Amino acid sequence: DAGITQSPRYKITETGRQVTLMCHQTWSHSYMFWYRQDLGHGLRLIYYSAAADITDKGEVPDGYVVSRSKTENFPLTLESATRSQTSVYFCASKLLAADTQYFGPGTRLTVL
Amino acid sequence: AQKITQTQPGMFVQEKEAVTLDCTYDTSDQSYGLFWYKQPSSGEMIFLIYQGSYDEQNATEGRYSLNFQKARKSANLVISASQLGDSAMYFCAMREGRGSQGNLIFGKGTKLSVKP
Repeated sequence: DAGITQSPRYKITETGRQVTLMCHQTWSHSYMFWYRQDLGHGLRLIYYSAAADITDKGEVPDGYVVSRSKTENFPLTLESATRSQTSVYFCASKLLAADTQYFGPGTRLTVL
Repeated sequence: AQKITQTQPGMFVQEKEAVTLDCTYDTSDQSYGLFWYKQPSSGEMIFLIYQGSYDEQNATEGRYSLNFQKARKSANLVISASQLGDSAMYFCAMREGRGSQGNLIFGKGTKLSVKP
């Protein structure tokens, strides 16, 4: 029972590079979400997806791109990483009519 | 304006005692949900408990209970019989709108430390 997984778990990159964070869930959940967690801000929503090929912006979408060609995968791309994108990134998912979101283990990203 | 407010950045509790973590929220929706998540030092986000705005009874899950006071817009988490493993960050979150829509808005968290 893999649940929801994220890769890589840790990533160090340089300013200006493109980085893709992967999220995979085995529950066939309709909804998937990307959050970032920064000290003093709690978790903030970056993007979410209600189903394959349906995505929408959250609170802090600038500098990020998402896609969802398959229900189980929801990659998050930083097209040109900046230092302000140094953060811990969490992917989450939930069933269509459910309330509770379940989180992946997180990816710690450092942009030098 | 903050939609979820957790006023206690840090709290201490003696092992085996009960502790209440405060959470107030702000919404004009009639239908909403309130959640608590635990984040231990290992970093994962663990779902603890959920309360719907129309639920008349306070939610309980084992040693966790949610003290829901709708008129006061508060959703405090009560942990009974604290254990050392309860030491963690605790986040209150709210989902506005009806079940299948609406994203979570998180508070900034409370760090709970359980003393032996």
